[in-house]
Amino acid sequence: DVKVTQSSRYLVKRTGEKVFLECVQDMDHENMFWYRQDPGLGLRLIYFSYDVKMKEKGDIPEGYSVSREKKERFSLILESASTNQTSMYLCASSPHGLVGGEQYFGPGTRLTVT
Amino acid sequence: EDQVTQSPEALRLQEGESSSLNCSYTVSGLRGLFWYRQDPGKGPEFLFTLYSAGEEKEKERLKATLTKKESFLHITAPKPEDSATYLCAVQARLGGSGNTGKLIFGQGTTLQVKP
Repeated sequence: DVKVTQSSRYLVKRTGEKVFLECVQDMDHENMFWYRQDPGLGLRLIYFSYDVKMKEKGDIPEGYSVSREKKERFSLILESASTNQTSMYLCASSPHGLVGGEQYFGPGTRLTVT
Repeated sequence: EDQVTQSPEALRLQEGESSSLNCSYTVSGLRGLFWYRQDPGKGPEFLFTLYSAGEEKEKERLKATLTKKESFLHITAPKPEDSATYLCAVQARLGGSGNTGKLIFGQGTTLQVKP
């Protein structure tokens, strides 16, 4: 079974803090993705990566950055957390490189910024 | 613009009452259509991939079908444990700029099955 894990299920941070969200997949997948999910707005793509050290902006990259130093690990960084970044953050991976295909999701991190 | 619309937004069924969820899409060449199940507070769980019109996939009480414009998720004799939000997503064929495995998700249909 594909397994995608995220470093925290729940996280509470203060405005202005630097926040790191970690994601690890154990199936040697090429693609990895970060989404946020908010009521009424659905899943929105923040960043994705189709190879180590490669990254592409998604639909809402402002206020975020990412890092992929190893194939199995993809980190999302909030440089200076703000209250409007309170959300559910979901990491996903898919096996097929540029061809894409089905994505497998982690359990999510519920981030609250106060 | 590539787009996915799911209907209804919410659906209440009695246990055993079969029904269908709809996913309408417009995309510049479909590479794949995906169905997911999401329980509250959890990440989406992959269910099916459909690639071409006429294709069908089944898993327990769920059957997904695909036409050139829409997909249906049929739920036969549902049970309370089928209650969840069902998400549909599409991937366009390669060739356009920025198309590198990205999925376009619908807003989801929240299904509640009462005993």
